[in-house]
Amino acid sequence: GESVGLHLPTLSVQEGDNSIINCAYSNSASDYFIWYKQESGKGPQFIIDIRSNMDKRQGQRVTVLLNKTVKHLSLQIAATQPGDSAVYFCAENILFAGGTSYGKLTFGQGTILTVHP
Amino acid sequence: EPEVTQTPSHQVTQMGQEVILRCVPISNHLYFYWYRQILGQKVEFLVSFYNNEISEKSEIFDDQFSVERPDGSNFTLKIRSTKLEDSAMYFCASSRTARNQPQHFGDGTRLSIL
Repeated sequence: GESVGLHLPTLSVQEGDNSIINCAYSNSASDYFIWYKQESGKGPQFIIDIRSNMDKRQGQRVTVLLNKTVKHLSLQIAATQPGDSAVYFCAENILFAGGTSYGKLTFGQGTILTVHP
Repeated sequence: EPEVTQTPSHQVTQMGQEVILRCVPISNHLYFYWYRQILGQKVEFLVSFYNNEISEKSEIFDDQFSVERPDGSNFTLKIRSTKLEDSAMYFCASSRTARNQPQHFGDGTRLSIL
């Protein structure tokens, strides 16, 4: 899950294992969620997204699960590879009361994934 | 695949000086954003921009900050009088719509204030 401050949660796995990265979001008005991967010296790279009317979405080797009851999001990476090593952020887009949004994303603290060959 | 490009990759500036960070968003995107990331911390929203005006801004985006789309391709962030605490990575992002579309990020400008 996420933590406060400079100490990011870490996940260390062996190549070929499945990885699960968790995120707790704060706002029940959030209606769109994105997972980003950030490698050292680079910007956040889009991995997968999910709207609040869904509870699961699959991509290539990745699956995002959304549990609105407990405000929890997870990213599952199948057959994790060394190239998956990075910091992973969840981000949420909050709707205003009238159902509008100007696109502001609120990011979580991030999880460091390390994949050992 | 189209991407967001940012220049320069690294900017070193004396405190009190003005700095302009530049971005070229993805060409068919209509919504533009600036975020910043202080070393080791999470990405923070600064401002969103649509139809040549600011849509939303955070508390960080005070009177020292401004954004502009000077032509059909560039999107800039100006800091008028830089402070030490402005040192961070600044990311530009763009998206086709404000809702339900992923924002695509550039690789950032590292701003170092001396």
